[in-house]
Amino acid sequence: AQKITQTQPGMFVQEKEAVTLDCTYDTSDPSYGLFWYKQPSSGEMIFLIYQGSYDQQNATEGRYSLNFQKARKSANLVISASQLGDSAMYFCAMREIGETGANSKLTFGKGITLSVRP
Amino acid sequence: EAEVAQSPRYKITEKSQAVAFWCDPISGHATLYWYRQILGQGPELLVQFQDESVVDDSQLPKDRFSAERLKGVDSTLKIQPAELGDSAMYLCASSAPRGLAGGQVFFGPGTRLTVL
Repeated sequence: AQKITQTQPGMFVQEKEAVTLDCTYDTSDPSYGLFWYKQPSSGEMIFLIYQGSYDQQNATEGRYSLNFQKARKSANLVISASQLGDSAMYFCAMREIGETGANSKLTFGKGITLSVRP
Repeated sequence: EAEVAQSPRYKITEKSQAVAFWCDPISGHATLYWYRQILGQGPELLVQFQDESVVDDSQLPKDRFSAERLKGVDSTLKIQPAELGDSAMYLCASSAPRGLAGGQVFFGPGTRLTVL
């Protein structure tokens, strides 16, 4: 079963507007972390934001915020005041911890292409 | 600022040739990952190391791929022989020691492999 689902087609947003990128996940592990990465055309994976399964508040990092709805198993990324440089692929990823406490792999979704229009 | 180093950044080879990629994780990071990313898709794990031990290599095509992390620091990923379908970005990543669930996973710049 797919653990991370990103189903939106390519997204378009006007510069300076906000945009929400959807991500749903599936896990039975009570301890997990959710990550969002940005990948521009250069190929590097840039960490944006992290949300732990036990965190009480939604994570925020500058213009990025994570709308974490645990019961719905969703972790949507909100980008406020979009900039032209935000045009890139965005990946949602999850890492389960497991009973041993060892870090497991990051499992990625298929990604969403975001294009910011001037 | 600490970074994950990878080399080479780009590699062009012919099918049936051998290729090798190198990764140096952030100092002190016990967990090292090799991911493969086909254009337009999300990265998929090839192998995960905890120190020098392989934790997960279930998706590594072992007939042609090998990976090692002999001293638990830097790592090498090898493909022999390379096939056309191996053309992809190969990403190395590292993360904090065991138990730090919120530990960030840091990625290197990747090696873009083209097999002709």
